[in-house]
Amino acid sequence: QLQLQESGPGLVKPSETLSLTCTVSGGSISSSSYYWGWVRQPPGKGLEWIGSIYYSGNTYYNPSLKSRVSISVDTSKNQFSLKLNSVTAADTAVYFCARDLRSYLDTGGYADYWGQGTLVSVS
Amino acid sequence: DIQMTQSPSTLSASVGDSVTITCRASQSISRWLAWYQQKPGKAPKLLIYKASSLESGVPSRFSGSGSGTEFTLTISSLQPDDFATYYCQQYHSYSTFGQGTKLDIK
Repeated sequence: QLQLQESGPGLVKPSETLSLTCTVSGGSISSSSYYWGWVRQPPGKGLEWIGSIYYSGNTYYNPSLKSRVSISVDTSKNQFSLKLNSVTAADTAVYFCARDLRSYLDTGGYADYWGQGTLVSVS
Repeated sequence: DIQMTQSPSTLSASVGDSVTITCRASQSISRWLAWYQQKPGKAPKLLIYKASSLESGVPSRFSGSGSGTEFTLTISSLQPDDFATYYCQQYHSYSTFGQGTKLDIK
């Protein structure tokens, strides 16, 4: 059974960089046909897709966050990571990692496996 | 950017009822639409992809339809476990979620 687990600091100071890692178990991050993505949800609000990465390193980012986001992958550790810089209080949210199904050249995909989420507060 | 608008925002129903949630896209997304169920404190759960394809393990009382700009999620014979918040997501161009529909017990 595929499992995803987010890890990282729960508190980040304004203007600094938010860094999270997602560890994948029960399957290989190098599987074809899957991207690996991040979605966030501010407290009491809806979902926002942040971006996704293929094991080769190809990435797609939400255009509204693109200037501040970087997603990377470490196939040797079966992990992928999120960096969001210049954070403000508006970036306070639960951050989910997820397996993202899409064709290689598709900009969008849907998520069938999710991590439990981790709350990151900016203060 | 493609905007997704769900209606209603809140829906009250009883066990055994059938309910329908609507999702409208600001431009055509063909059938590149997914539906998720989310319960408080939990990750979203995929229900439907490609507008009408039922994810493995999801009960058949959940069904999706639509194409282009208008889509629906129907839950027939509501069960106690179905009371949750539902989100649509377009993945035609990048990805955008609707604002959610909270389904609560009447």
